[in-house]
Amino acid sequence: DQQVKQNSPSLSVQEGRISILNCDYTNSMFDYFLWYKKYPAEGPTFLISISSIKDKNEDGRFTVFLNKSAKHLSLHIVPSQPGDSAVYFCAASTTGTASKLTFGTGTRLQVTL
Amino acid sequence: SQTIHQWPATLVQPVGSPLSLECTVEGTSNPNLYWYRQAAGRGLQLLFYSVGIGQISSEVPQNLSASRPQDRQFILSSKKLLLSDSGFYLCAWSPGNSPLHFGNGTRLTVT
Repeated sequence: DQQVKQNSPSLSVQEGRISILNCDYTNSMFDYFLWYKKYPAEGPTFLISISSIKDKNEDGRFTVFLNKSAKHLSLHIVPSQPGDSAVYFCAASTTGTASKLTFGTGTRLQVTL
Repeated sequence: SQTIHQWPATLVQPVGSPLSLECTVEGTSNPNLYWYRQAAGRGLQLLFYSVGIGQISSEVPQNLSASRPQDRQFILSSKKLLLSDSGFYLCAWSPGNSPLHFGNGTRLTVT
């Protein structure tokens, strides 16, 4: 049973535009959410996180939004850059921390010139 | 700075053969260590995690086992591989409950 779902396997966005990556979850016990980015032949790297007590967290060009009632979170990248092309994983935890994460299947973002 | 090493990068093994994947962390002590696997079309699944030497927690029943013989060494093993063990295996570490830092992974193909 996939508790964290990323229903879009791929997304293509023009450079300079906004990229919006979506993630849905089913476990209401999740209380901490993260986004990881993965380049080919490398392990995922941490990008940004949000606690369930917040609905928004911003870090430079990256903003994560959390809608607890809809069990939905999204990652906004503005403006998108070619170097943002990667696979993005959504992850969630029930521990209130970044330990013991449940991951989605990933969305491949392609930023075109 | 801390680094994590995981090898080999790719591995092709026949069904029924043993498996040993090794992961080591440098530049830190007493890290939390994790093994994840991504099977085709699935998300990263937590297999094992460890908070100290000899302390291993298994998240899902499977054909695999893990050991932590030293503080910064984490080993994933199997006595007899199954076709369903194919996947992308990632080792990760964290200082306590902070975000995980992943190795570059091992692509295992069981034939």
